[in-house]
Amino acid sequence: AQKVTQAQTEISVVEKEDVTLDCVYETRDTTYYLFWYKQPPSGELVFLIRRNSFDEQNEISGRYSWNFQKSTSSFNFTITASQVVDSAVYFCALSEATNFIYNQGGKLIFGQGTELSVKP
Amino acid sequence: DTEVTQTPKHLVMGMTNKKSLKCEQHMGHRAMYWYKQKAKKPPELMFVYSYEKLSINESVPSRFSPECPNSSLLNLHLHALQPEDSALYLCASSQDRREIYGYTFGSGTRLTVV
Repeated sequence: AQKVTQAQTEISVVEKEDVTLDCVYETRDTTYYLFWYKQPPSGELVFLIRRNSFDEQNEISGRYSWNFQKSTSSFNFTITASQVVDSAVYFCALSEATNFIYNQGGKLIFGQGTELSVKP
Repeated sequence: DTEVTQTPKHLVMGMTNKKSLKCEQHMGHRAMYWYKQKAKKPPELMFVYSYEKLSINESVPSRFSPECPNSSLLNLHLHALQPEDSALYLCASSQDRREIYGYTFGSGTRLTVV
């Protein structure tokens, strides 16, 4: 069964600090997809990144970077020089490719989320 | 069009009412999803539709009744809800094949049951 664990419930930092959000996943599939979403107080889920299980390259997008390590089943997210606008709940999520084999759609399962508060 | 549109944005209903939530996408996605999200919790999967057929029901009470009338539209019919059903209801869509590029979420319907 697929499972995602985000051990950090809340993180509070001061603006310009770097912050890393941890994500550990469990799956028996060899092909799977990992995602990070941002949910501001308004409620919409904003897509940040998708990574498939065969691509372990780290990715950087502006102040955001992601570290995918299959050996430790982790997909951590770092915000460099945090800003107040980064304050939100961040979710890590997992989808197993097997779910699609029989035209059953895909179960996207979320971690518990990490609430990030960036103070000025 | 790269959006999932949900209506209404807010809904207040009594426990004896019948109401429906609507979700629409025009991205050609053949998988559509309903999620329920309580405050301070992650979204929880309720239903998955694949090619307009219900493929996954995560043991959701029958007072929630999903419907997929065509490939662009997904409804969630609500009847005799309880106050604990108050939550944010999110709709999402994705391609329905092994190589997926992402799930697109709507902005949700905030439901309050009184």
